[in-house]
Amino acid sequence: RKEVEQDPGPFNVPEGATVAFNCTYSNSASQSFFWYRQDCRKEPKLLMSVYSSGNEDGRFTAQLNRASQYISLLIRDSKLSDSATYLCVVNIATGGFKTIFGAGTRLFVKA
Amino acid sequence: EPEVTQTPSHQVTQMGQEVILRCVPISNHLYFYWYRQILGQKVEFLVSFYNNEISEKSEIFDDQFSVERPDGSNFTLKIRSTKLEDSAMYFCASRGGAGNTEAFFGQGTRLTVV
Repeated sequence: RKEVEQDPGPFNVPEGATVAFNCTYSNSASQSFFWYRQDCRKEPKLLMSVYSSGNEDGRFTAQLNRASQYISLLIRDSKLSDSATYLCVVNIATGGFKTIFGAGTRLFVKA
Repeated sequence: EPEVTQTPSHQVTQMGQEVILRCVPISNHLYFYWYRQILGQKVEFLVSFYNNEISEKSEIFDDQFSVERPDGSNFTLKIRSTKLEDSAMYFCASRGGAGNTEAFFGQGTRLTVV
């Protein structure tokens, strides 16, 4: 089983739509969770951290369910500029720390 | 804003040659990473480095790969004898401290092995 799994998509949505991405992780030593955004041929950039209580940043809402080992990202009122690949990212404590990426979910927002 | 910088942005090398990819992490960060991303595929963890030693490495990070922090600022990835399948984007990342901090990425080095 992959350490971090995401639906690869692509998700094709019209502007203004609400879209949700899901992610599951398998390693119980996972300690912290993030959503990154990656534009084509660019580096991943942090979108937001994910906290157990859930957190919101403008149009973006992230949630974590530790019992189910599940993370979600909700994007409201999608913009054309939201088109990108969204990466679910997990920090795993294994003596050291490693950061594991999901394969990413591709989003296309259309006018 | 502090950032991770990588050089060169693009490196073309012949199969069998050695390459060194360079990174300057954010100055007060303690944890350093190399990742690679083959075109069209996911970001893959290669190695993490802390306190001047490798703390974790993946199965990709075989004897052809090595990392070094030679002078307290640079963090390098060396590939001893490149293969065609090493062609990828290589990202360096750094993280400030233990626990729950996020990683910041450099803009990557595109390695093309011909």
